[in-house]
Amino acid sequence: DAGITQSPRHKVTETGTPVTLRCHQTENHRYMYWYRQDPGHGLRLIHYSYGVKDTDKGEVSDGYSVSRSKTEDFLLTLESATSSQTSVYFCAISAPTSGGKYEQYFGPGTRLTVT
Amino acid sequence: KQEVTQIPAALSVPEGENLVLNCSFTDSAIYNLQWFRQDPGKGLTSLLLIQSSQREQTSGRLNASLDKSSGRSTLYIAASQPGDSATYLCAVRRSSGSARQLTFGSGTQLTVLP
Repeated sequence: DAGITQSPRHKVTETGTPVTLRCHQTENHRYMYWYRQDPGHGLRLIHYSYGVKDTDKGEVSDGYSVSRSKTEDFLLTLESATSSQTSVYFCAISAPTSGGKYEQYFGPGTRLTVT
Repeated sequence: KQEVTQIPAALSVPEGENLVLNCSFTDSAIYNLQWFRQDPGKGLTSLLLIQSSQREQTSGRLNASLDKSSGRSTLYIAASQPGDSATYLCAVRRSSGSARQLTFGSGTQLTVLP
């Protein structure tokens, strides 16, 4: 799992409430990503970070914000959760392989239900 | 915009059969392609990574091929086992200057029957 943890692993929240998901890595990799996974859509990129305080939008960023104040932590915030944000959220890092190329490694996921 | 398609969405085979999973992509200007495995309720595990300059990669019973010009990749699984049952996803990375972003297919759910 390349030292990636996500918290919480499961959360149920009500529509309109703020929610923050945390991704923590132990190996100081520069690139971190947040994806959501929904049936029939595979994984879609929400936001990514290429360093402390350096973030950018992905394909489905509306309704989400991110922050990265430390190399090891990448936070995803839903400012006002909606039922359409019910999903499984995955964090990933980009890390070098033994051959010097880069692969993405994923955390265990957070299952979020918005009621 | 890159689009990645995996057909079929689900596949069921008897144990011991050799099988091929397909992945196609619309933009051939890729940097690499990665195959992942996902077990129910779990995260993704990287299986194979093929650089755009490579034609194939092998790991154990798995062999992935890449035909960049036609926008296709296949994952070949030899002598399938019930433990191979999982969802298999392919993902392509665009040019090297794109923050290493991946575009995923929606996956093929494989069931290997004992």
